[in-house]
Amino acid sequence: DGGITQSPKYLFRKEGQNVTLSCEQNLNHDAMYWYRQDPGQGLRLIYYSQIVNDFQKGDIAEGYSVSREKKESFPLTVTSAQKNPTAFYLCASSRGSGDIYEQYFGPGTRLTVT
Amino acid sequence: QKEVEQNSGPLSVPEGAIASLNCTYSDRGSQSFFWYRQYSGKSPELIMSIYSNGDKEDGRFTAQLNKASQYVSLLIRDSQPSDSATYLCAVKNNNNDMRFGAGTRLTVKP
Repeated sequence: DGGITQSPKYLFRKEGQNVTLSCEQNLNHDAMYWYRQDPGQGLRLIYYSQIVNDFQKGDIAEGYSVSREKKESFPLTVTSAQKNPTAFYLCASSRGSGDIYEQYFGPGTRLTVT
Repeated sequence: QKEVEQNSGPLSVPEGAIASLNCTYSDRGSQSFFWYRQYSGKSPELIMSIYSNGDKEDGRFTAQLNKASQYVSLLIRDSQPSDSATYLCAVKNNNNDMRFGAGTRLTVKP
């Protein structure tokens, strides 16, 4: 089955700890994205990658880091510098990044930091 | 002004009725428009994409686009309780960045 997987589904961390969220896709998509969703707000773009070994900051990249060493994988690290890390994190992918390409989402990781 | 605006709702319709969801956007250069459905606690699921002015139908769903008015809508015919969800409007702006509205919560009452 083709799709996007994110793990874990729920993650709990203490303040001051870095945490890495996994995102894997087997759709052979070139582009991958990380979004954050907070209650009552639209999705906000954290980072995106159009090709292996390249990525760009989105609107709210501060306190986050990513890597794209393989086409299939785009992990997101939430660092201790992120002031409000508790949120629902969504990974998405698309065949390309042009205007006609649709984005498909993984199941998400709900991160709680206390 | 937000790039993509939606009425947050909740929008409540009886089973079998037509649900009408609306969205406006600010970037006049936008070319691609998408509707996602998000059930509570789940991730968004793509249900429609539209790129040209006019209507696009897929089963019970019809997307309508009016670029001159910077307006896109989603109609759901014969609404079912299983359609109860939050519907997200997404627009690719002139830089090909996807911008999402905050969503409209729809409740279909049996």
